[in-house]
Amino acid sequence: DAGVIQSPRHEVTEMGQEVTLRCKPISGHDYLFWYRQTMMRGLELLIYFNNNVPIDDSGMPEDRFSAKMPNASFSTLKIQPSEPRDSAVYFCASRAAGGKDEQYFGPGTRLTVT
Amino acid sequence: LAKTTQPISMDSYEGQEVNITCSHNNIATNDYITWYQQFPSQGPRFIIQGYKTKVTNEVASLFIPADRKSSTLSLPRVSLSDTAVYYCLVGDRVYGQNFVFGPGTRLSVLP
Repeated sequence: DAGVIQSPRHEVTEMGQEVTLRCKPISGHDYLFWYRQTMMRGLELLIYFNNNVPIDDSGMPEDRFSAKMPNASFSTLKIQPSEPRDSAVYFCASRAAGGKDEQYFGPGTRLTVT
Repeated sequence: LAKTTQPISMDSYEGQEVNITCSHNNIATNDYITWYQQFPSQGPRFIIQGYKTKVTNEVASLFIPADRKSSTLSLPRVSLSDTAVYYCLVGDRVYGQNFVFGPGTRLSVLP
């Protein structure tokens, strides 16, 4: 398996623009997580899905952020409009149901909003 | 979710054993303890998970005392490549709540 795939790896955009981050989880995994990491706030959970259904989105900063999982092999995190304070590394992770709680993280998307 | 406390940073030398302790005084009966490792510019990577006593794998050992209010990650004979941030997480594995990352411990291995 190729692991968790994220695209793009780097994104530079101007304030006010829409940004869409993409994630392909490991095949067969039931959970998908979106995290954001900054120096100031560390690694924060934004939202997670179980079987394509959003379970907890309490970490989503505000209405400018939205996430979808239309099927088991694809998820998006959208920011509209983007702001400089959204600059961070965004990680997607997936895990299988049952057994040990081992999350597999993608390489991350480094977002810079100017 | 149980709150965890770890040292912010630690230094060690190559070849030494490193022990990183995590405090989780409010751990619940169903909670498991999980450790992740993160290298710069990469996502965290699972190291080890346990419930009580001792767990060992090819990478590390995890020691959990009977009261489970703390845990110790032990890395045998560290090398420069073990320089990373190590996170301790506590949560209910069954309901997938094992995903609150604290600030972690920044381990620096010196030559």
